[in-house]
Amino acid sequence: AQTVTQSQPEMSVQEAETVTLSCTYDTSESDYYLFWYKQPPSRQMILVIRQEAYKQQNATENRFSVNFQKAAKSFSLKISDSQLGDAAMYFCAYKLWGAQKLVFGQGTRLTINP
Amino acid sequence: GAVVSQHPSWVICKSGTSVKIECRSLDFQATTMFWYRQFPKQSLMLMATSNEGSKATYEQGVEKDKFLINHASLTLSTLTVTSAHPEDSSFYICSARGGRAYGYTFGSGTRLTVV
Repeated sequence: AQTVTQSQPEMSVQEAETVTLSCTYDTSESDYYLFWYKQPPSRQMILVIRQEAYKQQNATENRFSVNFQKAAKSFSLKISDSQLGDAAMYFCAYKLWGAQKLVFGQGTRLTINP
Repeated sequence: GAVVSQHPSWVICKSGTSVKIECRSLDFQATTMFWYRQFPKQSLMLMATSNEGSKATYEQGVEKDKFLINHASLTLSTLTVTSAHPEDSSFYICSARGGRAYGYTFGSGTRLTVV
């Protein structure tokens, strides 16, 4: 079974600085999708960024970018110019191509210090 | 964009009663719905997956007779917690998938407190 591991339960960063959240996953498959979701205090799950495993280019969405290392099964999220509104729980997730369900990691709580 | 409306946002019920949570896709057809349970400071735990018109597929360890899921239309899925007990108190989240192959849209969640 596929598993997703987020080894950092909590992270903190100064406002305007850069922070990287780690995620590793375990799979024997070659075609899959990876996601980062944000869950702010409102608890609404928000998609931050996604990556298709067949794409070598790292996905980028404004201040959010990923470092996708397929061989190492690593999928880290970099947040540049951190803002107070970035404070949230961040979940890494995996979806096998053709499957329906997402497999979530344990989450990382990110605190932004003003 | 895709929107999923989940109601109620919070509910308090007495032990032994049943409570229903609704999840509606407002602007797309949700071919698949997912129901999650989330304990404080923990990740989302998938309870079941339902496809429109079919019986839900429950994850191991989830009591199907206690957590009744109905997905009778492409825009509505319901989760009924039957004979609720305090240990059922939790945050329940639905997610709908339709249209784009990788698109998942989440509801805003329901906080259930059983007293």
